[in-house]
Amino acid sequence: NAGVTQTPKFQVLKTGQSMTLQCAQDMNHNSMYWYRQDPGMGLRLIYYSASEGTTDKGEVPNGYNVSRLNKREFSLRLESAAPSQTSVYFCASRSWSGNTIYFGEGSWLTVV
Amino acid sequence: GNSVTQMEGPVTLSEEAFLTINCTYTATGYPSLFWYVQYPGEGLQLLLKATKADDKGSNKGFEATYRKETTSFHLEKGSVQVSDSAVYFCALRGLSSGSARQLTFGSGTQLTVLP
Repeated sequence: NAGVTQTPKFQVLKTGQSMTLQCAQDMNHNSMYWYRQDPGMGLRLIYYSASEGTTDKGEVPNGYNVSRLNKREFSLRLESAAPSQTSVYFCASRSWSGNTIYFGEGSWLTVV
Repeated sequence: GNSVTQMEGPVTLSEEAFLTINCTYTATGYPSLFWYVQYPGEGLQLLLKATKADDKGSNKGFEATYRKETTSFHLEKGSVQVSDSAVYFCALRGLSSGSARQLTFGSGTQLTVLP
């Protein structure tokens, strides 16, 4: 049971570089999310996609872009990475009627 | 807006001790409440949930009761094990959080259980 799969698991970037975090879910869920986790701050929502073809900003969207490529995939792009974007990133998904959000295993990103 | 306030850690207990991690929330209406657990190097896993007042969620010996009158959802376990060492997150999903109905998380509580 794959669930929510994120890649890469670890990445080190230099300031100003760009990269894309990939996320795919095999549960036929409609909604997908990107969160970042920082010490002492819990998880904060970056962007979400309620359904294929739609995306909306969350609590901390600045410096990020997203693409809902199809129902399965939801990618997060950092166009010009900054040290403040050093964090652990989690992708998640939820079915339209479901009450539970399922998380991927996380992507550890360091910007130097 | 919605918010979750969680007991600050870290919490260190001996094996077989009683665990309580406090969680209170602010939200309109009747949100759904969750506890997630994150083991070292892993993603978040749903531990338990409650969707209406007075519901008790339970799983793996952990319990939490949805208390509307005190806006609380405290996590308890009668006898912790070393394998329970993890970070625990309280979260809510409100009725008025947009069409995506995303989760609002507390800051997390690190639990370490010593043998």
